[in-house]
Amino acid sequence: DAGVIQSPRHEVTEMGQEVTLRCKPISGHDYLFWYRQTMMRGLELLIYFNNNVPIDDSGMPEDRFSAKMPNASFSTLKIQPSEPRDSAVYFCASSTIDEQYFGPGTRLTVT
Amino acid sequence: RKEVEQDPGPFNVPEGATVAFNCTYSNSASQSFFWYRQDCRKEPKLLMSVYSSGNEDGRFTAQLNRASQYISLLIRDSKLSDSATYLCVVNRGGGFKTIFGAGTRLFVKA
Repeated sequence: DAGVIQSPRHEVTEMGQEVTLRCKPISGHDYLFWYRQTMMRGLELLIYFNNNVPIDDSGMPEDRFSAKMPNASFSTLKIQPSEPRDSAVYFCASSTIDEQYFGPGTRLTVT
Repeated sequence: RKEVEQDPGPFNVPEGATVAFNCTYSNSASQSFFWYRQDCRKEPKLLMSVYSSGNEDGRFTAQLNRASQYISLLIRDSKLSDSATYLCVVNRGGGFKTIFGAGTRLFVKA
């Protein structure tokens, strides 16, 4: 298995632009997680899905952030409009029972 | 107060040393516990799960004290390759609400 796949690996955008991050989980995993990591706040859970259904989105910072999982093999995290404080590494992870497997992350820079 | 607290370090130890990391959690409903390892500019990877009875994997030993809401990780005979950030992770009860500690940075020197 190729593991969790994320794209793009790096994204540089200007403030106000829409940003879409993509994730393909490991086949057969029924949980999918989106995290954000910054030096100041560490690794934060934004939202997670079970069988494509959002279960807990209490970590989503504000309405500018939205996440979807239209099918078992694809999820997106969208930021609209983006702000400089959104600059971070965004990780997607998937799991079955306990162990979460992380993708390589998307390094987002908003100027 | 953060829900999962770790000593940020850094810990600087020579090869062959034994080093211990501690972690406390505040939510008594937490149900499962883990240690993850994260190398610089890489994704976190599971090091080991932590069970109430304690568990060992080679040079690594993890322990859980539910009464004190405390988790530990012991690394024996440290190797240069053990240099990384070690993240304490707690799943709250009732689902996969995963809380990561801020991590403890370890540097192992030759």
